[in-house]
Amino acid sequence: DVKVTQSSRYLVKRTGEKVFLECVQDMDHENMFWYRQDPGLGLRLIYFSYDVKMKEKGDIPEGYSVSREKKERFSLILESASTNQTSMYLCASQGAGTGGDEQYFGPGTRLTVT
Amino acid sequence: GESVGLHLPTLSVQEGDNSIINCAYSNSASDYFIWYKQESGKGPQFIIDIRSNMDKRQGQRVTVLLNKTVKHLSLQIAATQPGDSAVYFCAEPPPGGSNYKLTFGKGTLLTVNP
Repeated sequence: DVKVTQSSRYLVKRTGEKVFLECVQDMDHENMFWYRQDPGLGLRLIYFSYDVKMKEKGDIPEGYSVSREKKERFSLILESASTNQTSMYLCASQGAGTGGDEQYFGPGTRLTVT
Repeated sequence: GESVGLHLPTLSVQEGDNSIINCAYSNSASDYFIWYKQESGKGPQFIIDIRSNMDKRQGQRVTVLLNKTVKHLSLQIAATQPGDSAVYFCAEPPPGGSNYKLTFGKGTLLTVNP
């Protein structure tokens, strides 16, 4: 089974702090994603990566950056956290090429910025 | 832009009944759909998928029906159990484009009453 893990289930940070969210997958998947999930807005794509050191902006990249130095690890960085970044953050991975297009999700990190 | 939506935001059923969750899509060229289940406090889990060359696909206690004429798909859960209580949402990749960028519906909350 695909396993996607996230470094924290819950985080509380102060406004202005730098925040790192880490995600690791164990299926050698090429594609990895960061979403945020908010009530009434559903899942929104922040950034994705289709290879090591490659990244592309999703629908809401402002205020975020990402890093993918190794294939199995994809990090989301909030350079200066703000209260409007309080949300559930979900990481996902997906194998490229043949087969299904489904994405496999981690358990999520609930971030609160005070 | 194209969107994936849901008819019903909430659904409450009795244990043992069958559940039907609906999803409408707007792009007639869409060729692949995925259903996810998200339990409280967890990340979304892949349930079942269907390609547009099929009208029906069955899994364990779940069936997905695709009606391309009216651009509608549904997820049927047989003999609903308390463990089925979750948010269910459909997703689709852009037709003919990159398979990695999924568009997610907002979700339907299924509550199973014992």
